[in-house]
Amino acid sequence: KAGVTQTPRYLIKTRGQQVTLSCSPISGHRSVSWYQQTPGQGLQFLFEYFSETQRNKGNFPGRFSGRQFSNSRSEMNVSTLELGDSALYLCASSFRTSTYTDTQYFGPGTRLTVL
Amino acid sequence: TQLLEQSPQFLSIQEGENLTVYCNSSSVFSSLQWYRQEPGEGPVLLVTVVTGGEVKKLKRLTFQFGDARKDSSLHITAAQPGDTGLYLCAVQGGSEKLVFGKGTKLTVNP
Repeated sequence: KAGVTQTPRYLIKTRGQQVTLSCSPISGHRSVSWYQQTPGQGLQFLFEYFSETQRNKGNFPGRFSGRQFSNSRSEMNVSTLELGDSALYLCASSFRTSTYTDTQYFGPGTRLTVL
Repeated sequence: TQLLEQSPQFLSIQEGENLTVYCNSSSVFSSLQWYRQEPGEGPVLLVTVVTGGEVKKLKRLTFQFGDARKDSSLHITAAQPGDTGLYLCAVQGGSEKLVFGKGTKLTVNP
């Protein structure tokens, strides 16, 4: 079974630009969560999507947004990039129903550098 | 305030040495997970501990959940260079939301 894939793996942008990151979950997984990892703050939860609906959101500004498609693939978007947005963005997928939550499997991440 | 405090933050040891890393909190948890993250990769789940006092072994790695379910430790026996990585503890913070400690960065030198 193929793992979680994220594209692109590396990205360099300048302040003020916007960026879109993509995540393809493990086949059959319908939940996709996004995390930001920085040396100072560690891993922090951004949001979770399940069946194309955002189910949970972390404490990040509205510049961070996401969506999920009918095939469970997900994208996250960051608008008006700031230097502090430089981070590793990780996507995790899991098999989830309304009453059952399984293990989250992480992708390799997208390394975003904002200059 | 960090929900999960991990110590030490950095650890550099020689191959063959033993080590223990800790994950502490003032909160009680129904379960706790340990992950290892290697450079350029995402975290990989090592173990989930559920019962207070529980001990789980994964080859040379021993995980313990505190009796009060507030803390956990990871002990590695005879560390090898392949054990190098960032060790993270995490708990469920609500539906699908994992809350992580900041991790212990372990380097095992040959």
